[in-house]
Amino acid sequence: DTEVTQTPKHLVMGMTNKKSLKCEQHMGHRAMYWYKQKAKKPPELMFVYSYEKLSINESVPSRFSPECPNSSLLNLHLHALQPEDSALYLCASSRLQGGETQYFGPGTRLLVL
Amino acid sequence: EDQVTQSPEALRLQEGESSSLNCSYTVSGLRGLFWYRQDPGKGPEFLFTLYSAGEEKEKERLKATLTKKESFLHITAPKPEDSATYLCAVQGLGGGYNKLIFGAGTRLAVHP
Repeated sequence: DTEVTQTPKHLVMGMTNKKSLKCEQHMGHRAMYWYKQKAKKPPELMFVYSYEKLSINESVPSRFSPECPNSSLLNLHLHALQPEDSALYLCASSRLQGGETQYFGPGTRLLVL
Repeated sequence: EDQVTQSPEALRLQEGESSSLNCSYTVSGLRGLFWYRQDPGKGPEFLFTLYSAGEEKEKERLKATLTKKESFLHITAPKPEDSATYLCAVQGLGGGYNKLIFGAGTRLAVHP
């Protein structure tokens, strides 16, 4: 099984709201990722967690706050977003060794009004 | 700097008309090259991982090949359900822990 699940599928929020995106995998992967994807563009890496610790932050604004409560779960907390943050947010997971395949979830479609 | 270039940007095929998508890359030590298929509004679906020049992998109508500078995704006798964006990504020795560098993708449309 190579399934990564994400909730919610769709989210509409105002610029003053606080919301969270959730991601879960049960493949025993110890690396988890958040990507942002705009229309007709490839995914852009935001954060990487390894062994539940943040290992890469691609200079993402602080209005995005990641959290990895345990080895199966990954959250992305959103606060005071801008309309330009509207995008498809993708979660992925992989084994930790270099060259391992990343498996993506279905994504959360976010619209910021 | 690691870089991936995919061509063509868009490809229109008739059902049954075979073709190939190209992924050219420059990377400081290849750890892996990955092909994904993405339908509109959905997450990328894993297709193949290739690790060394000369390697080939097949799945149904798709075959991926790898040289030291590029990879090809060959589509044999495509069907309309093969219509999607095909993404190529590489992981190199530099650039950060398990970081994927994506190409811009090839949008494939297969018409009956």
